[in-house]
Amino acid sequence: DGGITQSPKYLFRKEGQNVTLSCEQNLNHDAMYWYRQDPGQGLRLIYYSQIVNDFQKGDIAEGYSVSREKKESFPLTVTSAQKNPTAFYLCASSRGQGTDTQYFGPGTRLTVL
Amino acid sequence: SQQGEEDPQALSIQEGENATMNCSYKTSINNLQWYRQNSGRGLVHLILIRSNEREKHSGRLRVTLDTSKKSSSLLITASRAADTASYFCATVSPDRGSTLGRLYFGRGTQLTVWP
Repeated sequence: DGGITQSPKYLFRKEGQNVTLSCEQNLNHDAMYWYRQDPGQGLRLIYYSQIVNDFQKGDIAEGYSVSREKKESFPLTVTSAQKNPTAFYLCASSRGQGTDTQYFGPGTRLTVL
Repeated sequence: SQQGEEDPQALSIQEGENATMNCSYKTSINNLQWYRQNSGRGLVHLILIRSNEREKHSGRLRVTLDTSKKSSSLLITASRAADTASYFCATVSPDRGSTLGRLYFGRGTQLTVWP
């Protein structure tokens, strides 16, 4: 099965804790992205990576960190510095040409208790 | 803002009717894409229209692009209850200092199709 997977589907965190969201793809895509979606809102870009060992901040990077050690994997850490982390997080990938279609994972819903 | 804005925010129709959603944007684009999202799920790509194209079809979907008005429309013909979802337009513009184009999403149109 080719595709992009995210885990876990639901995640609960206490205030002050860091959590890491997993994103894996086996589409052989160079580019990967993390978005945040709040209720009734569109997607906002957190971080993106064009190639292994390289990534750039998106529009709302504060309080988040990423790594891209492998082509297949782009984990997102939500740190305690993120003031309002409760949201739906979506990972996506594309071939790497900037105009390409993006393929999305099923999402992780993070709730801070 | 570079993001697209969909109109209307919500649309409710009966099965068999056509659904039209509009998207407006503010800057020049490389292409415009439409995505669908079922509740609580990831987005699924529907169709991509390039800046030099005016109309594109895919099954029951018809997309138009008017770059002079910076607007696009998505028409779903003969709608079905299974078409119920949120529909987003996303514009692609070159990122500053990077060759990677960015996708800028609007807030979406929530379509409800009643049986």
